[in-house]
Amino acid sequence: VVLTQSPATLSLSPGERATLSCRATTGLSNYLAWYQHKPGQAPRLIIYDPSNRATGVPARFSGSGSGTDYTLTISSLEPEDFAVYYCHQRGAWPPTFGGGTRIEI
Amino acid sequence: QVQLQESGPGRVKPSETLSLTCTVTGGSIATYYWSWLRLSPGRGLEWIGYVYYGGYTKYNPSVERRVTMSTDTSNNQFSLTLSSVTAADTAVYFCARGAPTHPLLWTDWGRGTLVTVSS
Repeated sequence: VVLTQSPATLSLSPGERATLSCRATTGLSNYLAWYQHKPGQAPRLIIYDPSNRATGVPARFSGSGSGTDYTLTISSLEPEDFAVYYCHQRGAWPPTFGGGTRIEI
Repeated sequence: QVQLQESGPGRVKPSETLSLTCTVTGGSIATYYWSWLRLSPGRGLEWIGYVYYGGYTKYNPSVERRVTMSTDTSNNQFSLTLSSVTAADTAVYFCARGAPTHPLLWTDWGRGTLVTVSS
């Protein structure tokens, strides 16, 4: 399953809303997750299946979608949110990732 | 809180075998599923495979013929070997722990280690 993320880069300011898209080539039965990654750090699970926040993730992060189309929304960007976000599916074999969306200031 | 740390050579020659170890602290390896993933400019993020402490493994078909994973419960470590490497295997390699609810949902990761395949 190919996951296509858009846009590749999002240029925003702190306080603005970020909307990230992930589209799959086949239905995923909602087994879609989002990971945040900053250079040199461990990736972090943000959202899974597809609207559950992982432990410790702030409420400004939300996930939605079904079938082949999923969205990650950050309601009001904080400085620590600028990073690369990857969507990931485990609804089809083998598990795959999208190419990532970079949120930059 | 569990922490994971990858270790191994930063450079491997083409056609040779890549070997990495992940040391787990703050929790026992004798539960959960333990995965290896990698990130490269050409292939993006890719799941390589996972191992369960009892020795059960499952690999991505893209590398299945070249990969082996195992656990070492006495040292609370698990390992990855990837044979016949090429430049395409150059990547940052991460180890990660699967969630209690699903082995392919990774709640804890290491920071990653860069492996370059070059002569």
